[in-house]
Amino acid sequence: DAGVTQSPTHLIKTRGQQVTLRCSPKSGHDTVSWYQQALGQGPQFIFQYYEEEERQRGNFPDRFSGHQFPNYSSELNVNALLLGDSALYLCASSLFEGAQYGYTFGSGTRLTVV
Amino acid sequence: GESVGLHLPTLSVQEGDNSIINCAYSNSASDYFIWYKQESGKGPQFIIDIRSNMDKRQGQRVTVLLNKTVKHLSLQIAATQPGDSAVYFCAENNDYKLSFGAGTTVTVRA
Repeated sequence: DAGVTQSPTHLIKTRGQQVTLRCSPKSGHDTVSWYQQALGQGPQFIFQYYEEEERQRGNFPDRFSGHQFPNYSSELNVNALLLGDSALYLCASSLFEGAQYGYTFGSGTRLTVV
Repeated sequence: GESVGLHLPTLSVQEGDNSIINCAYSNSASDYFIWYKQESGKGPQFIIDIRSNMDKRQGQRVTVLLNKTVKHLSLQIAATQPGDSAVYFCAENNDYKLSFGAGTTVTVRA
């Protein structure tokens, strides 16, 4: 049973560029949440997708957007990259009705903005 | 504001000893808490959880204690092993999103 899969594992972008990160949820899960983890910090909630809609959003600017596909996979897009966007981006999947009881995290995408 | 934090950023423990990692939370309405372990280059891995209607919950070598009076959470690891070296986070679940503290780095000495 595959867990959460994220791609790519590492990425280097130039300031001002745009980036797309991808996530495939754990089998049986229908909800995807994205988190940003700066070096030495705990993950910070970006947003959550369920039924192809953004259901919850954290304190992140509109440069951060996402999408969920009918197969429950998800993308995170970041426009106009800033140096401060350098972080580990984590995807967590869950079952919406049981979201309190089972978040599974992927290994993340390490984004470096230069 | 709402926050979840850990008391100490680092903990060094002798192999075989017990470890205790502490966490304070500020949202008294929180009803579900999770401890995660994160190893270098990996995502957070679920260790154990506890709901607010419980004071204690035990897993394999781990115990979580919840004190709602002082809004404090702790993770106890029995007979700490080298493989327990990692960063440990407590997380608070509210409205289907997790709020994490900054983490405690546990180093196990041989």
